[in-house]
Amino acid sequence: DAGVIQSPRHEVTEMGQEVTLRCKPISGHNSLFWYRQTMMRGLELLIYFNNNVPIDDSGMPEDRFSAKMPNASFSTLKIQPSEPRDSAVYFCASSLDAGGGSYGYTFGSGTRLTVV
Amino acid sequence: GQSLEQPSEVTAVEGAIVQINCTYQTSGFYGLSWYQQHDGGAPTFLSYNALDGLEETGRFSSFLSRSDSYGYLLLQELQMKDSASYFCASTGGFKTIFGAGTRLFVKA
Repeated sequence: DAGVIQSPRHEVTEMGQEVTLRCKPISGHNSLFWYRQTMMRGLELLIYFNNNVPIDDSGMPEDRFSAKMPNASFSTLKIQPSEPRDSAVYFCASSLDAGGGSYGYTFGSGTRLTVV
Repeated sequence: GQSLEQPSEVTAVEGAIVQINCTYQTSGFYGLSWYQQHDGGAPTFLSYNALDGLEETGRFSSFLSRSDSYGYLLLQELQMKDSASYFCASTGGFKTIFGAGTRLFVKA
């Protein structure tokens, strides 16, 4: 398996623009997570899906953030409009078990977002 | 709510043993995981403890005491490539929350 695939790897955009991050989880994994990592706040859980259904989005910072999982092999995280404080590395992770358990989470390579 | 505490930095010499501690407060606690992240890379899963005791995987071992809400990651025979950040992560209520990470510096 190719692992969790995220695109793009790097994104530089201007404040106010819409940004869409993409993720393809590992086939057969029924749980998908979006995390954001910054020096100040560490790894923050934004939202997680189980069997394509959003279960907990309490970590989504504002209404400017939205996430979808239209099928088992694809998810998007959208920021509209983007702001400089959204600059971070965004990771997608998938797992066989919602809690990770003995399998853990498999993370994608991340998208480094810079909003100028 | 959930919170985890771990030291921000640890320094050790090549070939030595180092222990990274983690204390947690988690409602509906299921287990404690450890992840390694090299600079510029993604977190990678190292271990998971759901029950009290020590789990060994090669040079790495992880320990959990549920009664003390405490765990640690033990790295033996340190190598330069072990220089990275190490995160403990607690799972509770189907949510996994990560600690702030411990940056390990391995010196020659």
